[in-house]
Amino acid sequence: DVKVTQSSRYLVKRTGEKVFLECVQDMDHENMFWYRQDPGLGLRLIYFSYDVKMKEKGDIPEGYSVSREKKERFSLILESASTNQTSMYLCASSFRARTGARKQFFGPGTRLTVL
Amino acid sequence: KQEVTQIPAALSVPEGENLVLNCSFTDSAIYNLQWFRQDPGKGLTSLLLIQSSQREQTSGRLNASLDKSSGRSTLYIAASQPGDSATYLCAVMDSSYKLIFGSGTRLLVRP
Repeated sequence: DVKVTQSSRYLVKRTGEKVFLECVQDMDHENMFWYRQDPGLGLRLIYFSYDVKMKEKGDIPEGYSVSREKKERFSLILESASTNQTSMYLCASSFRARTGARKQFFGPGTRLTVL
Repeated sequence: KQEVTQIPAALSVPEGENLVLNCSFTDSAIYNLQWFRQDPGKGLTSLLLIQSSQREQTSGRLNASLDKSSGRSTLYIAASQPGDSATYLCAVMDSSYKLIFGSGTRLLVRP
């Protein structure tokens, strides 16, 4: 079974702190994604990566950066956390299939609270 | 811009009932459509993926259909059980290979 793990289930940080969210997948997937999920807004794509050291902005990249130094690991960085970044953060991964299958597999999520 | 809508937002049914969840999308240029299940406070579990060239997919008591031309998909759950209680999300993969999600349908199956 595909396994996508996230470093923390719950995280509490203070405004202005630098925050690292880690995601690791064990299926040799090329693509990795970071989403945030908020009530009433659904899941929104923050950043994605289709290869090591490659990254693309999603729909809401402001206030975030990412790092992909190894294929299996994709990190989301909040340079200076703010209260409006309190949310559930979900990581996902998929193969870069030519057929368009690209089923995405999700991690358990990290609930981040910024005080 | 692709928009995905799910109706109803919430549904409560007695155990054993067959039910249908609806998903609509505004742009028919999609690669695939995926249905997910999310339990409270948890991540997403992929249920079914329908390629754009397919009409339906089945897995156990679940059947998902896709009508790309009309921008609609349905998820049919047969003989519902309390363990089916969760939020069901549909998502379409657009022409840039991104997933666009609906807001979900919260399902409660009463014993």
